Amino acid sequence: QSALTQPASVSGSPGQSITISCTGTSSDVGGYNYVSWFQQHPGKAPKLIIYYVNNRPSGVSNRFSGSKSGNTASLTISGLQAEDEADYYCSAYTSSSTPYIFGTGTKVTVV
Amino acid sequence: QLHLQESGPGLVKPSETLSLTCSVSGGSISTSDYYWGWIRQPPGEGLEWIGSIFYSGSTYYSPSLRGRVTISVDTSKNQFSLSLRSMTAADTAMYYCARVTRGGFRAFDIWGQGTLVAVSS
Repeated sequence: QSALTQPASVSGSPGQSITISCTGTSSDVGGYNYVSWFQQHPGKAPKLIIYYVNNRPSGVSNRFSGSKSGNTASLTISGLQAEDEADYYCSAYTSSSTPYIFGTGTKVTVV
Repeated sequence: QLHLQESGPGLVKPSETLSLTCSVSGGSISTSDYYWGWIRQPPGEGLEWIGSIFYSGSTYYSPSLRGRVTISVDTSKNQFSLSLRSMTAADTAMYYCARVTRGGFRAFDIWGQGTLVAVSS
């Protein structure tokens, strides 16, 4: 089972909205709603920011939102801020022999 | 508030066995609501799920590591552990432990800070 596909990098200006895609297959992203998104700042552990496609844990800004269409999930960051500069990873539960897979990761730059 | 903390050696020799422990505080590991998992991240690379364990001892491993990995749980110490045999340079990574929601959401919702493991002679 290979990793979910994400763009290597996405950039935006402060205040703009950006969207990060996460493409899998019907055995993972398309087959279940168990899609999560993580934010990882340099030298830090990943932090859950979206679970079950479009749910935010307590304390996570409502500027982060998730969605899914077919085999592709998306994370949108609205009102981009400097503190949003980080790496972002998606993950999904799968019906394969590897129950959890992660995306390739996307570096978000605020220019 | 639940806190996870990894511990173990930062340096392992090739062919040796890595042993890491994740100590859980602020809550019990003996809950039916969660699994407990290990994830690793090689320097500059992405995340890789290693395996998960339920407090009863049921385990699930990544096929790519099966045969080399064992995850165990010690409910009396509120800890779970990772053992990875026959280490090579390719196993050099940051190793994280995490809580995994069971049932409804299946998300890695709480992570430890991670521990960096290098494989070198």
